Formats: sequence, structure tokens, C-alpha cells
Amino acid sequence: ETGVTQTPRHLVMGMTNKKSLKCEQHLGHNAMYWYKQSAKKPLELMFVYSLEERVENNSVPSRFSPECPNSSHLFLHLHTLQPEDSALYLCASGGRASYGEKLFFGSGTQLSVL
Amino acid sequence: QKEVEQNSGPLSVPEGAIASLNCTYSDRVSQSFFWYRQYSGKSPELIMSIYSNGDKEDGRFTAQLNKASQYVSLLIRDSQPSDSATYLCAANNNAGNMLTFGGGTRLMVKP
Repeated sequence: ETGVTQTPRHLVMGMTNKKSLKCEQHLGHNAMYWYKQSAKKPLELMFVYSLEERVENNSVPSRFSPECPNSSHLFLHLHTLQPEDSALYLCASGGRASYGEKLFFGSGTQLSVL
Repeated sequence: QKEVEQNSGPLSVPEGAIASLNCTYSDRVSQSFFWYRQYSGKSPELIMSIYSNGDKEDGRFTAQLNKASQYVSLLIRDSQPSDSATYLCAANNNAGNMLTFGGGTRLMVKP
């Protein structure tokens, strides 16, 4: 248990569905992250929130919409996804986003888009 | 383009041997380096961090950093089958940019 909890663990959705991924951290960290991990590709940073403000958005398609209501919670809202969006989505938290602090990952959500 | 490169493997070593995992990075201003272990179907788990040139030891793990040559390595002594996993190298330049991950090296330790 890393102190970062993600739900759901698995998600299957159609291209017209709307769903949300949830992440909660109990480590007192200031920064939270969404990463995408596809087969045979490096981890891709999607979004970073530091002190509840988004600090980086790596040109992620608008069908992915993050929300960070407080420093302990992070959501990723999904709508009209494509099959190529099927991947493992990982949430992580860290001390301070701008200082290269080590990250702690949640268990991930394995997403399949049909 | 900031990149972190790793040989995808698999790297196969016999039980009890030393496993040597290597990583190179392209961004010269990178300051912090991390090794994560990821078991199949699980999330990455931090196992080592290193910030200064030289070696850093933690149990059976030794991280080595050479900033002049821009490489980081991880040595695993007395390798065990339970060490079989994918090892991810990550670098950060501590200037507002985030961790860049390599593609990972798959390690197989055979009994």
C-alpha cells in the first residue's frame, strides 16, 4: 500500500460513454499526477497539479479532463474516448512538483475502450 | 526532446548473480534520478533515488550515477527470482519539468 488509492481498478467503456477515474492520496503531498502507460511505450505524463493548480498539460486530447478539488483528490473525466486510449492510467503523488520529488503511484486503472 | 533510454531486454541472469541495468539520458541539466520496479500488472514502485555522482547502496541494490557520461545504472546483487520485473529509470531536472521515464528493462532471474 503506497498511500495512493485509485478506483476503479478495471474499466470497460464504449466510445460514447462518460466515466471518471478517481485518485486519493493520504501522504500529505502537494502534487498529484496522471500518467498513461501503453504497451511497449514509456510512461507518458498527462497532467500535473501542484497545490490544486494545474502546472502542466502535455497536449492531451480534450476528451480527457482532469479535476483537482483539493490536494488529496484527483479525478480524470473521460468522454468519447477512442480504442487507442485503452491503457493503464496511473495516478501518482509527490512532495513538490517543481523540485523533482520522488513519486508514489497508485495501483492504476486498466481501461479498455470498445 | 528530453529522453531517457533503456534497453528493453529481457535481461536474463541466473539466481545469485549480479544484474546490471543501464540507463542513459539526453538532458544535461537533469539532477535527480530514480529507479522504479514494476511487476507485471502492477504499478511502479520506487526502489532507489540518486542525486550525486558516484554510488549509492541500499541493501542488495546499488545505484550509480555518472553525470559526465549521462548514465545511471542499477546493480542488483544476489539476484532472486522475486526480482524479476520491469525496471524503469526516470530523470528530472528540478526546474519545473517533470519526471521523464525510460521504456523500462525487463529482468528475468532464473532459478
